[in-house]
Amino acid sequence: GENVEQHPSTLSVQEGDSAVIKCTYSDSASNYFPWYKQELGKGPQLIIDIRSNVGEKKDQRIAVTLNKTAKHFSLHITETQPEDSAVYFCAAIFRGGTSYGKLTFGQGTILTVHP
Amino acid sequence: NAGVTQTPKFQVLKTGQSMTLQCAQDMNHNSMYWYRQDPGMGLRLIYYSASEGTTDKGEVPNGYNVSRLNKREFSLRLESAAPSQTSVYFCASRAGGYNEQFFGPGTRLTVL
Repeated sequence: GENVEQHPSTLSVQEGDSAVIKCTYSDSASNYFPWYKQELGKGPQLIIDIRSNVGEKKDQRIAVTLNKTAKHFSLHITETQPEDSAVYFCAAIFRGGTSYGKLTFGQGTILTVHP
Repeated sequence: NAGVTQTPKFQVLKTGQSMTLQCAQDMNHNSMYWYRQDPGMGLRLIYYSASEGTTDKGEVPNGYNVSRLNKREFSLRLESAAPSQTSVYFCASRAGGYNEQFFGPGTRLTVL
């Protein structure tokens, strides 16, 4: 089955700096890679996703890059703000066959943005 | 729309007790999922229901059962709770295709 490794487990940055979180996946057939943000006491919320036919996707201060050859993808947050502080999860899925939307999640990264 | 709702928010059980976690979605989604979240382990899929009337095991199904009561509701039952089931449980739903999974607010369960 799919395995997703996420690094680092914790990340501390100063407000205005950039933050990068990296994930690697094992199943080369994976073709959909979402990123979720989880604030304290809440459920995860999708912030950006990328499909395997795309190398990069941006949404304002957030971007995701995908390297299919190396089987890794990364989340980039620029100009970080204190409200970016949260737990971030990457995930992967092979959408086909009998996957039925079964996501495999990374272990999570606790991001702290200091004012 | 309320999205995905879960009850209860918190629960404390003694070893061997049973309980049912309730989940409902009002987005007319076909697929629903139950995850558990433990420190350092991300979210792990317990059971899922690809569509009304079907359920299947996920990565960590032992000790749990599920019921897809109708298109809106998907419940998770612990027949005989164990301390290893202390966790935060999330329900999610998805319309289909590449569409995102929408998560509920979670149920924090402690088994003593």
